[in-house]
Amino acid sequence: QVQLVESGGGVVQPGRSLRLSCVVSGFSFSNYAMNWVRQAPGKGLEWVAVVSDDGSNTYYADSVKGRFSISRDKSKNTLYLQMYSLRAEDTALYFCTRQSEFYYFDYWGQGTLVTVSS
Amino acid sequence: EIVLTQSPATLSLSPGERATLSCRASQSVNNYLAWYQQKPGQAPRLLIYDASVRATGIPARFSGSGSETDFTLTISSLEPEDFAVYYCQQRTNWPPEFTFGPGTKVDIK
Repeated sequence: QVQLVESGGGVVQPGRSLRLSCVVSGFSFSNYAMNWVRQAPGKGLEWVAVVSDDGSNTYYADSVKGRFSISRDKSKNTLYLQMYSLRAEDTALYFCTRQSEFYYFDYWGQGTLVTVSS
Repeated sequence: EIVLTQSPATLSLSPGERATLSCRASQSVNNYLAWYQQKPGQAPRLLIYDASVRATGIPARFSGSGSETDFTLTISSLEPEDFAVYYCQQRTNWPPEFTFGPGTKVDIK
């Protein structure tokens, strides 16, 4: 079955960096675009970034553009989110999601929590 | 940027009742709209995409309708497991961008 398992979250000081990982299984990773979506505590969902199936194209929400970088490693079936210059408002549960052929998020991981605090 | 508005913010109903949730877009999204269900402590689950197509494994009591700027998610008869938060989401083709609505909480009356 399809599985997405995130890791790498934790408590980090403002201005520092953190890298999230998402290991996937149960489907052909190279055939799907992948996304990160986040959810601040008690709040709604916010799309963060997308990477194309072959990794050649990436796009970001304005709130993270220039600070976050999404990438993928097909040899490891792993999606990454490198986060720089973290701010308090980046505190959230970060979900890894698969983008279906219809451009929606059909599978989600359980999320990894990032807390930005001094 | 397309903004999605959902109403009501909270819907209090009893099991067996019909739930009608609304999502309005600030400009036309054609029919590129999805609905997700999220229960406490869980990841969201895709229910409906392209406004009216049920995702794999979604019960028939869930239906979606609408186009352009006005969309509706209907749950024909609420089951106990349907009490949750529901989000609508739109997507643009190019550049790819995805926007969620603020959510509607369906709770037990």
